[in-house]
Amino acid sequence: AQSVTQLGSHVSVSEGALVLLRCNYSSSVPPYLFWYVQYPNQGLQLLLKYTTGATLVKGINGFEAEFKKSETSFHLTKPSAHMSDAAEYFCAAGGGNKLTFGTGTQLKVEL
Amino acid sequence: DGGITQSPKYLFRKEGQNVTLSCEQNLNHDAMYWYRQDPGQGLRLIYYSQIVNDFQKGDIAEGYSVSREKKESFPLTVTSAQKNPTAFYLCASIAVGSGNTIYFGEGSWLTVV
Repeated sequence: AQSVTQLGSHVSVSEGALVLLRCNYSSSVPPYLFWYVQYPNQGLQLLLKYTTGATLVKGINGFEAEFKKSETSFHLTKPSAHMSDAAEYFCAAGGGNKLTFGTGTQLKVEL
Repeated sequence: DGGITQSPKYLFRKEGQNVTLSCEQNLNHDAMYWYRQDPGQGLRLIYYSQIVNDFQKGDIAEGYSVSREKKESFPLTVTSAQKNPTAFYLCASIAVGSGNTIYFGEGSWLTVV
């Protein structure tokens, strides 16, 4: 069965610093890969997704992620954190029409 | 605007009561899902439906029931058999062949009082 691991349930960065949220998946066949963001008491919003093609994927709000098959990773980055980036981030992997989600990473942005 | 509407946003349930959470989508999506979210546990799949009049159990279906009589609607009933129902519930949908992108509603908070 597919599994998704997000390293670090809480990540804290200073405003303007690099954001790096880690995600590894377990699958011998590269699945579709997603990052979602969730603000308090709201649903999940798609940040970006990898299906096929270019391994560096750009998303909304300045985020991007790189698919590395050899490392089975799909880490999310943003060059410069903004206060509005504070939220919970979920990595997900899927095949067919079911997704497996990681347990989430809470991002805190400090002044 | 197209989207997924969940209602109510907040719901309180007494012990022994069944409650139903509504989920409606106007995206013309084929598949619909219900997830439960608890702090630190991510999202867990309760039920999903790929077509009308058909649905499948997810990872934590015990104590829940669903129906899919219309493509647009996928209500979730939390029965009295669900021992710990207090959670945030998320409805989602996906268009087959869309690259598997799931779209979510705004969620519903259920609290047992």
